[in-house]
Amino acid sequence: ILNVEQSPQSLHVQEGDSTNFTCSFPSSNFYALHWYRWETAKSPEALFVMTLNGDEKKKGRISATLNTKEGYSYLYIKGSQPEDSATYLCASLNTGRRALTFGSGTRLQVQP
Amino acid sequence: SAVISQKPSRDICQRGTSLTIQCQVDSQVTMMFWYRQQPGQSLTLIATANQGSEATYESGFVIDKFPISRPNLTFSTLTVSNMSPEDSSIYLCSVVTGTGGNEQFFGPGTRLTVL
Repeated sequence: ILNVEQSPQSLHVQEGDSTNFTCSFPSSNFYALHWYRWETAKSPEALFVMTLNGDEKKKGRISATLNTKEGYSYLYIKGSQPEDSATYLCASLNTGRRALTFGSGTRLQVQP
Repeated sequence: SAVISQKPSRDICQRGTSLTIQCQVDSQVTMMFWYRQQPGQSLTLIATANQGSEATYESGFVIDKFPISRPNLTFSTLTVSNMSPEDSSIYLCSVVTGTGGNEQFFGPGTRLTVL
């Protein structure tokens, strides 16, 4: 995998549903994996930074896992709320690079 | 963390004109970047803004089209020159802070529409 890829591109769920998204990234020269939450007209908000294979991080109802050997990360949202509606971006940082390489994001819409 | 502001927040411009976007950070930072997101695309790195020297551009981006200034460690500008409708994007300023330079923060973005 040469690029960072995210799926699905968009997702519509009902309030209370749990959901998850996938991020695939180049596993060679891996340094860190970042997840961001981006609401329209606001700055992307950092959710997680993960570096170690097997990392699991949690922030409230949102959690993420990391597999650096196979090059993927999952983001989970438990009991989705309308305020979770946003675009979720993942980005990888490789050794030798100073800036993140982003996926195209997953746009989540939570219906009340 | 870092608080980043950008001006303008949005603009609508005519083809062939230029727009300069300003980025102000509330603390001194070493690493500062400019990204853009074209409709339906990923956030793409344009260049690294280097304090006191020429910016470092990514493949596909050139100084004549996207001149960048960085006069000090808290401020940078990006100019989008001779604009065309393909330049319609959200442009974001970003900085790296934190121990090990592992945290990257973003400004709110400048939404540019070129007619």
